[in-house]
Amino acid sequence: EIVLTQSPATLSLSPGERATLSCRASQSVSSYLAWYQQKPGQAPRLLIYDASNRATGIPARFSGSGSGTDFTLTISSLEPEDFAVYYCQQRSNLFTFGPGTKVDIK
Amino acid sequence: EVQLVESGGGLVQPGGSLRLSCSASGFTFSGYLMHWVRQAPGKGLVWVSRINSDGSDTSYADSVKGRFTISRDNAKNTLFLQMNSLRAEDTAVYYCTRAVSYFNFWGQGTLVTVSS
Repeated sequence: EIVLTQSPATLSLSPGERATLSCRASQSVSSYLAWYQQKPGQAPRLLIYDASNRATGIPARFSGSGSGTDFTLTISSLEPEDFAVYYCQQRSNLFTFGPGTKVDIK
Repeated sequence: EVQLVESGGGLVQPGGSLRLSCSASGFTFSGYLMHWVRQAPGKGLVWVSRINSDGSDTSYADSVKGRFTISRDNAKNTLFLQMNSLRAEDTAVYYCTRAVSYFNFWGQGTLVTVSS
């Protein structure tokens, strides 16, 4: 099983700041990695797929990078609606999610 | 508009069974792989199972293998998850999701609580 680890567990930032979230895989997943956003009481929303492609309707302030075992989700300038939990997910070998990074308001 | 609506959740005793359903609309259901993903209260997302478009191929997470069965009725645009021998650790919101390669459409989820 491919294990995904995310860091930090919590990121406390102010609106307008840049957020950098990390996801590391226990073995290479090539570029088969996605990022999701989840707000309380809601289903997750796909943000980024294949490491760096924005899903339909996702604002340009969200970007993804990386390949192999190390990946990054960057939110260039936090909007109030961006405070949420973010999960990475791989599809290289079945499917696993990381434990999540909570982005909260400083 | 793509819609996925789960139902069938509830309270069940340990060792009991439950069958979840997911009604799909707004797309050609028979053309897509479908999955179940769950989330325990206050915890992260866990992939549970997937089924291919015609129902001939299925996969399961190790934690549910042998206890859960995924199936689908393409004539009724419905996905199912039969859950047997339920354990307390199966308590979660269960989401039905549509995926081409990634989970791009999700239902609102149905809560399953396993408790005596």
